[in-house]
Amino acid sequence: SQQGEEDPQALSIQEGENATMNCSYKTSINNLQWYRQNSGRGLVHLILIRSNEREKHSGRLRVTLDTSKKSSSLLITASRAADTASYFCATDARGSYIPTFGRGTSLIVHP
Amino acid sequence: EAGVAQSPRYKIIEKRQSVAFWCNPISGHATLYWYQQILGQGPKLLIQFQNNGVVDDSQLPKDRFSAERLKGVDSTLKIQPAKLEDSAVYLCASSSGDHEPQHFGDGTRLSIL
Repeated sequence: SQQGEEDPQALSIQEGENATMNCSYKTSINNLQWYRQNSGRGLVHLILIRSNEREKHSGRLRVTLDTSKKSSSLLITASRAADTASYFCATDARGSYIPTFGRGTSLIVHP
Repeated sequence: EAGVAQSPRYKIIEKRQSVAFWCNPISGHATLYWYQQILGQGPKLLIQFQNNGVVDDSQLPKDRFSAERLKGVDSTLKIQPAKLEDSAVYLCASSSGDHEPQHFGDGTRLSIL
């Protein structure tokens, strides 16, 4: 079974709008990571947030982590057409070295 | 720095044939991962190496899949014999250690006829 599950499965917005994706997981984690995957390419690491952190920023990206709710969110502000991609969360369960990816959110940003 | 290199980019074979994929990780990265990504899903870990030792291969179908990482650098993943359900993208990734960001190659897209 998959540890992390992204929501929504698909998101379509206009350029300049903000995009928010959520990730829920089942067991306690060491850290949670967000990745982006463009069509036909490998995954690109965006942000790693550790279990003792609540929020991290990187450029137009903002990630929050709520360990009490076992959930995380990725916010992309002022979206661009180039942000069109699939976004995955990956969790590292405590006591495990196995990184587990969700099914991803497919984001389309219309110019 | 050079990224993770994978070859070939595409491979088409018939079922019951064998196939091999190659991965060259980022220089100095001790941890290497092989993932299977079926269309519309997230990557599923097949095997994880730490240098040339296996950390986890619990999700590797060992009756048909094998992987090795000789000398703790390059790695190969083999499927023999292939089944229709093996059609997927096979991704290789490397990282500087456990629980660290992974760097992915662009994958090998395998089609089984």
